[in-house]
Amino acid sequence: DAGVTQSPTHLIKTRGQHVTLRCSPISGHKSVSWYQQVLGQGPQFIFQYYEKEERGRGNFPDRFSARQFPNYSSELNVNALLLGDSALYLCASSPWEDRSYTFGSGTRLTVV
Amino acid sequence: AQTVTQSQPEMSVQEAETVTLSCTYDTSESDYYLFWYKQPPSRQMILVIRQEAYKQQNATENRFSVNFQKAAKSFSLKISDSQLGDAAMYFCGGEISYGQNFVFGPGTRLSVLP
Repeated sequence: DAGVTQSPTHLIKTRGQHVTLRCSPISGHKSVSWYQQVLGQGPQFIFQYYEKEERGRGNFPDRFSARQFPNYSSELNVNALLLGDSALYLCASSPWEDRSYTFGSGTRLTVV
Repeated sequence: AQTVTQSQPEMSVQEAETVTLSCTYDTSESDYYLFWYKQPPSRQMILVIRQEAYKQQNATENRFSVNFQKAAKSFSLKISDSQLGDAAMYFCGGEISYGQNFVFGPGTRLSVLP
């Protein structure tokens, strides 16, 4: 079975640009959550979606938004990129009822 | 705010020996889930072990076990018979805050010495 897949694996953006990160959950998992991991720190929760509805939001500015599609895949959008947005962005999926979160390999975003 | 604390930024252990990683947390919830994740240099987060707060029995997964003390809000990880492949960053975390999903600690870097 395929695990959680994230795309792209790496990308470089310029300050002020917009970026879209994508996540495909494990088949049968209806919940997707997003995390930002700055080098040397633990992951910070950004969003959780379940059945296409937002179920949780972390302490991130409105420049960050996300959505979940009918096939349970998800997108994370970040507008007006800042240098401080450079990080590894992780996606995790779970069946919701069973709190077993499986993480993808992440997207490494560099803002220059 | 709900927090998770890992007081040991770095730990080392001899191969085949036992090591315990500490974790404490703060929550006002009565029912929650706690986890230990391992992150090797590849940056892939790998689930090591999970504990449901309403269960009294400590979780065990092969060489990995936890000491869960709910009243003390403590959740330590014990690794027995340490192997070179256990070297990684270990993050303690959990669903301890309603609507905030996962809260992670800052991590403990474990080195395994041959």
